[in-house]
Amino acid sequence: SYELTQPPSVSVSPGQTARITCSGDALPKQYAYWYQQKPGQAPVLVIYKDSERPSGIPERFSGSSSGTTVTLTISGVQAEDEADYYCQSADSSAVVFGGGTKLTVL
Amino acid sequence: QVQLVQSGAEVKKPGASVKVSCKASGYTFTSYAMHWVRQAPGQRLEWMGWINAGNGNTKYSQKFQGRVTITRDTSASTAYMELSSLRSEDTAVYYCARVCTGGVCYFGDAFDIWGQGTMVTVSS
Repeated sequence: SYELTQPPSVSVSPGQTARITCSGDALPKQYAYWYQQKPGQAPVLVIYKDSERPSGIPERFSGSSSGTTVTLTISGVQAEDEADYYCQSADSSAVVFGGGTKLTVL
Repeated sequence: QVQLVQSGAEVKKPGASVKVSCKASGYTFTSYAMHWVRQAPGQRLEWMGWINAGNGNTKYSQKFQGRVTITRDTSASTAYMELSSLRSEDTAVYYCARVCTGGVCYFGDAFDIWGQGTMVTVSS
């Protein structure tokens, strides 16, 4: 199977834009998914199929894809967005998660 | 509403086995696969394997092949994950999560619903 690489941490001030990247060789061929995980809680799906947003997820969350990199963008970051974010993809043999990115809201 | 409810925390000794259950409600159990994902303290999410709840087919991560068994009981809408030969490194929260396999899969291969997690502690 392959790997997905994320930055360990991203810090932004409230109201700014946070961008979290996820890189992997298979991403041009496979969809990516993004999950938000707050301490002591199960992950929550925030982006599916690279750029689609489930109902109930705020519009400030968006996703994009370019080549081997997908990006989760949070516009107008709020204090409640502080969490760990994981990208995920899959091929025929396995499901893979990125290492996770801790988003700190300063 | 759609939910996955997992069994309670477990404490096991090294070398023992643990079996965690995941009861589904609010949807057609056999139209989804059930995956198992674990997370050691402070670590990343780690995929273990999945079962197609409709036909019972399974697929396991190479890392856990031979130690993990995933089963399901369609009459009870419940999936199970059993991990054997436990060691201290298996101390983690274990999650079940569903992925659509039948009909129109709106979210693709996303884990759209997760269980609340089951803490498994392996200690002598």
